[in-house]
Amino acid sequence: NAGVTQTPKFQVLKTGQSMTLQCAQDMNHEYMSWYRQDPGMGLRLIHYSVGAGITDQGEVPNGYNVSRSTTEDFPLRLLSAAPSQTSVYFCASSDGNEQFFGPGTRLTVL
Amino acid sequence: GENVEQHPSTLSVQEGDSAVIKCTYSDSASNYFPWYKQELGKRPQLIIDIRSNVGEKKDQRIAVTLNKTAKHFSLHITETQPEDSAVYFCAASSGGSNYKLTFGKGTLLTVNP
Repeated sequence: NAGVTQTPKFQVLKTGQSMTLQCAQDMNHEYMSWYRQDPGMGLRLIHYSVGAGITDQGEVPNGYNVSRSTTEDFPLRLLSAAPSQTSVYFCASSDGNEQFFGPGTRLTVL
Repeated sequence: GENVEQHPSTLSVQEGDSAVIKCTYSDSASNYFPWYKQELGKRPQLIIDIRSNVGEKKDQRIAVTLNKTAKHFSLHITETQPEDSAVYFCAASSGGSNYKLTFGKGTLLTVNP
């Protein structure tokens, strides 16, 4: 099993550009989440999903969209990137017992 | 919503000493409290967790205690080793869900050989 995978590892965007961060898991987990990590701020929940077709907002959802068309994939879309979205983004999946994190995507918005 | 405070933000100990990190939470409905270890440039990894029907849980050198009345929980690491050096995060969640966590801001633990 590859576990939780994320692409790309690094990305640089210009203000106003849009992009999609990819996340996939091969553990057949129902639950998936997106967090952002900023220095000194811990991890903050952006969006989460409790199953295919079901998503909900977390603590900091503004500027981000998600969808869950399959159990395996949970992409995060930045609609119009802003410098405040410069961060490390972690995707996670869970079977209800333990949450596993992906390796992260480091995003810089200029 | 939930708010999790974590202290201290940095902690330096000598190898072999014990380390204690403390967290408080605000939502009395929270009932799941995991601890994550994150090494530099790596992903967070779960090291131990506790649910509100348990007051203490131990796994080798690591233990977590929970005081629901006071709304605080603590991580205890005994016989620290240099490889314990990392950032540790506490988190809390209500409804037993471990997919929508509120995290503390982290503690940088340095174990000096």
